[in-house]
Amino acid sequence: GDSVTQMEGPVTLSEEAFLTINCTYTATGYPSLFWYVQYPGEGLQLLLKATKADDKGSNKGFEATYRKETTSFHLEKGSVQVSDSAVYFCALRGSQGNLIFGKGTKLSVKP
Amino acid sequence: DGGITQSPKYLFRKEGQNVTLSCEQNLNHDAMYWYRQDPGQGLRLIYYSQIVNDFQKGDIAEGYSVSREKKESFPLTVTSAQKNPTAFYLCASKLGPGYENYGYTFGSGTRLTVV
Repeated sequence: GDSVTQMEGPVTLSEEAFLTINCTYTATGYPSLFWYVQYPGEGLQLLLKATKADDKGSNKGFEATYRKETTSFHLEKGSVQVSDSAVYFCALRGSQGNLIFGKGTKLSVKP
Repeated sequence: DGGITQSPKYLFRKEGQNVTLSCEQNLNHDAMYWYRQDPGQGLRLIYYSQIVNDFQKGDIAEGYSVSREKKESFPLTVTSAQKNPTAFYLCASKLGPGYENYGYTFGSGTRLTVV
């Protein structure tokens, strides 16, 4: 069945460091892919998405490129801030239209 | 402003009691979802509803029940049959079929603790 695998956390970085959070997926065809962010004690917010191969989603300095060859959708940011500290979830649209989430990666950014 | 409201934010329940978590949306979304979040487990789907008066079980429906009598509302009841109900519960919604690429809108969650 469809599934999403994210790198294990937590990830701890210093402010202004480069961020990569790996995400790979298993699915039939080429599903839409999403990154969501969850700040402490809150629900999830859509960060970015890509709906077809080679698309790049971007928002708030974060980027992710849909790579069908490697079935990946890695999240990157060139310079993280303390305010980026959160849990990040990779997700794909399953065959029945529901979102299937990875387990989440906690990011802590130190000043 | 449109959005999803979950209430209460914190809920305490004694063992053996049923409890109902509220989820209301004013986004005119057709589909609504309930997820459970546990540390290190990600989000697991409990129930979902694509239209009023219809709903389907997700991956972990045992010990839970839902209703969808109105488009705006999708309450979740955690019954005494749920073996380990302490968790963070998230409600989400989205537009109907054909809008899957728009993603979901989430509520701010309810943290349920069994004491």
